[in-house]
Amino acid sequence: DTGVSQNPRHKITKRGQNVTFRCDPISEHNRLYWYRQTLGQGPEFLTYFQNEAQLEKSRLLSDRFSAERPKGSFSTLEIQRTEQGDSAMYLCASSSRTSGGLTDTQYFGPGTRLTVL
Amino acid sequence: EDQVTQSPEALRLQEGESSSLNCSYTVSGLRGLFWYRQDPGKGPEFLFTLYSAGEEKEKERLKATLTKKESFLHITAPKPEDSATYLCAVQVGGSQGNLIFGKGTKLSVKP
Repeated sequence: DTGVSQNPRHKITKRGQNVTFRCDPISEHNRLYWYRQTLGQGPEFLTYFQNEAQLEKSRLLSDRFSAERPKGSFSTLEIQRTEQGDSAMYLCASSSRTSGGLTDTQYFGPGTRLTVL
Repeated sequence: EDQVTQSPEALRLQEGESSSLNCSYTVSGLRGLFWYRQDPGKGPEFLFTLYSAGEEKEKERLKATLTKKESFLHITAPKPEDSATYLCAVQVGGSQGNLIFGKGTKLSVKP
């Protein structure tokens, strides 16, 4: 299977702990996005990488959140000092803009479900 | 502010009963409109991209259309396996490509 993969699929943690999620994009995709989805809502954009450069961050991404994409391959999203409000599904998507293309299709991974107790 | 609104929030159909889902949008400049399907506990699965008013795309029992203010996802003779949440998203010109999603329409198809 050559789709987007995310690990772990589920994470339960206690308030105040740090957690880290990993996303492995489709191999030839240079663009990588993180979204957060809560129950009954659509995904909300968090941050965007083109290759290894983080080019955009949402206002939703507080200073407790940090994301990296070393070498432009996999990405990690870390949440420090977790709060109950951080409980959500964290989704990763990847895409590749073709030269002269109108837009790029984002393909999503299965997500990491975070529960903060 | 760029905004996407989907209606209805939930739709219950009998197998074979055709219907449409609506996605209305208010954006500064539309680069593309996307439809995704999401099953419980899974990530969104790509269905269609529409770029300009008048465009239509089809896949099996699904047909997506686009006007200057809204998009419709028509479902013809649905089957129980079509039950899912259908998400609409827009990509806005001038952005880095992030998608702005609606809240989705939860479709249930009963046999």
